[in-house]
Amino acid sequence: GESVGLHLPTLSVQEGDNSIINCAYSNSASDYFIWYKQESGKGPQFIIDIRSNMDKRQGQRVTVLLNKTVKHLSLQIAATQPGDSAVYFCAENWSPHSGSARQLTFGSGTQLTVLP
Amino acid sequence: EAGVAQSPRYKIIEKRQSVAFWCNPISGHATLYWYQQILGQGPKLLIQFQNNGVVDDSQLPKDRFSAERLKGVDSTLKIQPAKLEDSAVYLCASSLSRQMNTEAFFGQGTRLTVV
Repeated sequence: GESVGLHLPTLSVQEGDNSIINCAYSNSASDYFIWYKQESGKGPQFIIDIRSNMDKRQGQRVTVLLNKTVKHLSLQIAATQPGDSAVYFCAENWSPHSGSARQLTFGSGTQLTVLP
Repeated sequence: EAGVAQSPRYKIIEKRQSVAFWCNPISGHATLYWYQQILGQGPKLLIQFQNNGVVDDSQLPKDRFSAERLKGVDSTLKIQPAKLEDSAVYLCASSLSRQMNTEAFFGQGTRLTVV
């Protein structure tokens, strides 16, 4: 079936460096994408989203890039801080069938570790 | 604004026992979701409600799992009987509308261990 996947299960970066987390998706019907951050023992927390009519969106220290041609998303975190250590999920929003309710499908996640 | 509330936070039961989880979504959110998150994996949708009606339960193991959302606010998810492979975190989320091209807000989850 169609799914959202991540290229790297773990990523370690030095504090202050930039982080890039990648995500591949295969569902061409997806038109809305969300990055979530999940800290240990907590539920996923919204970071940033992007709709398919955009290819870039910036937030505070985070940027999401969307390449629809190759079905690829990335999350860039500038000046990574210890508090950024968490698992990051990309999720795609899509409708399984015409007229049906939209679903939010998650990938397996990337563990980001920030080294001092 | 208050977030999504879930209880209990942790639960340990023996296989073949039953268990129930409770969720109180954000006030005014019509759509409520239950996700199952197995350790090391992303959340998997179990069931989606719009107000008190089920919108999607295609991935809910209906032989043992059930969920309800009476009065279109709080929701309960039940497992009876539990199996070892049900050990996971059960996450509840809510959003304003079923269109869901708005963000979903998640609770802290209930960690279930079946022994």
